Amino acid sequence: KAGVTQTPRYLIKTRGQQVTLSCSPISGHRSVSWYQQTPGQGLQFLFEYFSETQRNKGNFPGRFSGRQFSNSRSEMNVSTLELGDSALYLCASSLLGQGLNTEAFFGQGTRLTVV
Amino acid sequence: DQQVKQNSPSLSVQEGRISILNCDYTNSMFDYFLWYKKYPAEGPTFLISISSIKDKNEDGRFTVFLNKSAKHLSLHIVPSQPGDSAVYFCAARGTGANSKLTFGKGITLSVRP
Repeated sequence: KAGVTQTPRYLIKTRGQQVTLSCSPISGHRSVSWYQQTPGQGLQFLFEYFSETQRNKGNFPGRFSGRQFSNSRSEMNVSTLELGDSALYLCASSLLGQGLNTEAFFGQGTRLTVV
Repeated sequence: DQQVKQNSPSLSVQEGRISILNCDYTNSMFDYFLWYKKYPAEGPTFLISISSIKDKNEDGRFTVFLNKSAKHLSLHIVPSQPGDSAVYFCAARGTGANSKLTFGKGITLSVRP
């Protein structure tokens, strides 16, 4: 059974540009969550999508947005990139969504560098 | 406001000995707790979880203990192996508005051969 797939693995962008990251969850999983990991800050929750609806949102500015498609694949978009957006962006999928006792499975992440 | 805290940034233990990783939380609405392990350049891998109705859950070399009154949980690894060297994240969630997974900042475990 294929795991969570994130593309691309690495990305370099310049300040002011926008970027779109993609996540394909495990087959049958309907919940997709996105996290930002920076050194010393752990994993910061961005948002969760379940059945194409945003169900939870973290404390990030509106430049960070996402969506989920009918096949459960999800995209995350960051507009007007800033140097501080450089991070590892992780996607996690789970079977029934957060709030129930099922673990989340993570992809390998997309390493975004803003220069 | 850090709702899940892993106060020790690193831990070093001898191979074969016990590793004890600690985690504290502040949100009393959390009722499900998880530990993840992360190697560099990889996503976190689920290790073990515990529901708030239990105080212990064991899976092979890994045991998680939950003390709800102290809002504290710990992960015990016995015996520790060099392959266990990684960053370990504690995570917690509740229901409704607290349903998202909230992570600690992680602790780097080094197991010396």
